[in-house]
Amino acid sequence: GNSVTQMEGPVTLSEEAFLTINCTYTATGYPSLFWYVQYPGEGLQLLLKATKADDKGSNKGFEATYRKETTSFHLEKGSVQVSDSAVYFCALRAGSYQLTFGKGTKLSVIP
Amino acid sequence: DAGVIQSPRHEVTEMGQEVTLRCKPISGHDYLFWYRQTMMRGLELLIYFNNNVPIDDSGMPEDRFSAKMPNASFSTLKIQPSEPRDSAVYFCASSQGTGGGYTFGSGTRLTVV
Repeated sequence: GNSVTQMEGPVTLSEEAFLTINCTYTATGYPSLFWYVQYPGEGLQLLLKATKADDKGSNKGFEATYRKETTSFHLEKGSVQVSDSAVYFCALRAGSYQLTFGKGTKLSVIP
Repeated sequence: DAGVIQSPRHEVTEMGQEVTLRCKPISGHDYLFWYRQTMMRGLELLIYFNNNVPIDDSGMPEDRFSAKMPNASFSTLKIQPSEPRDSAVYFCASSQGTGGGYTFGSGTRLTVV
């Protein structure tokens, strides 16, 4: 079946630090890959996506590259801000109409 | 576009009572999903609809849970009778077609005491 594995949190960084949140997946077929962000008290918001191998999704300074050879979709940002504090979910969609989510990684950015 | 609208935002009820959660998807979206989020289990897909028809309800925990989508602009998730272990945040999401991601509502935080 389909599954997503994310690095466990919480992750605590100082402002302007470099961020990496690892995500690997197993899937049948050729999945689309997503990163969602959930700010406190809110629903999940689509942050970025990639639909085929070697695609790079990007938004708000965040990037992730679809690596088929390593079945990975790691989230990166060069310089985090306090406002990036949230829970980040990696997800995939493959062979069906439902998203499979990772367990989420909580990021805290301190000034 | 107002996005996916859920109501109520918060619900506190006593064990044994009936609870109804409501969702209005984005106009034109043909898929609707109900999720439950808890600290212990993370995000769980309960059920999803395509063109108002339930497609997969294998995630519904037990017969106390039921969901309906009488038309393209409205869905309900009902718990009867409610139990303390049902306490969670319930999210509704919708999407258009199968290629993209979902748009989530802000969720309903349910507390059963």
